[in-house]
Amino acid sequence: AQSVTQLDSHVSVSEGTPVLLRCNYSSSYSPSLFWYVQHPNKGLQLLLKYTSAATLVKGINGFEAEFKKSETSFHLTKPSAHMSDAAEYFCFTGASNDYKLSFGAGTTVTVRA
Amino acid sequence: DVKVTQSSRYLVKRTGEKVFLECVQDMDHENMFWYRQDPGLGLRLIYFSYDVKMKEKGDIPEGYSVSREKKERFSLILESASTNQTSMYLCASSSISGGADTGELFFGEGSRLTVL
Repeated sequence: AQSVTQLDSHVSVSEGTPVLLRCNYSSSYSPSLFWYVQHPNKGLQLLLKYTSAATLVKGINGFEAEFKKSETSFHLTKPSAHMSDAAEYFCFTGASNDYKLSFGAGTTVTVRA
Repeated sequence: DVKVTQSSRYLVKRTGEKVFLECVQDMDHENMFWYRQDPGLGLRLIYFSYDVKMKEKGDIPEGYSVSREKKERFSLILESASTNQTSMYLCASSSISGGADTGELFFGEGSRLTVL
């Protein structure tokens, strides 16, 4: 079975500084991995996805993530945080038949002016 | 673009009432899901369906049932609502058609249910 663990429940950064959100995965084979963002009172929106192509994945709004098999990680980064990045972020692993343990618990990002 | 529509954004119900949450997707996706989202607990899968009239229990199916009579529609039913079912409910869909599609979920905007 596949699963993900988000290592930080809350991250606070200053506007203009880098953002790092950490996600580790557990999988017996090469996974598909996703990052989603959820703004207050909204549904989840896909930021980016890794599907066994390039290990460095670029997403929307300046976010990117790097798949590191040796570290079983898929951390999300952004070089310079913007106030609009304040939201909750979820790491997700997609599986063909097992969706039961697929979402991380979420990381809430706060951006300070 | 895929669109997943949840019929009600906000609902207020009383304990013991029967509650229907409706979800419709317009991209002919095989899979549909109902998640519950609570602060500090992230998203928890209630039920999912991989075909019409087919359903599978997720992590927290107790107190819920589902119906999928048509491919595009997946309903979540609370037979007798209780206060501990006050939550945000998210519907999602995905395709298993293969190729570049590898389990990406498309979400509705959520239904916030309050049970008094």
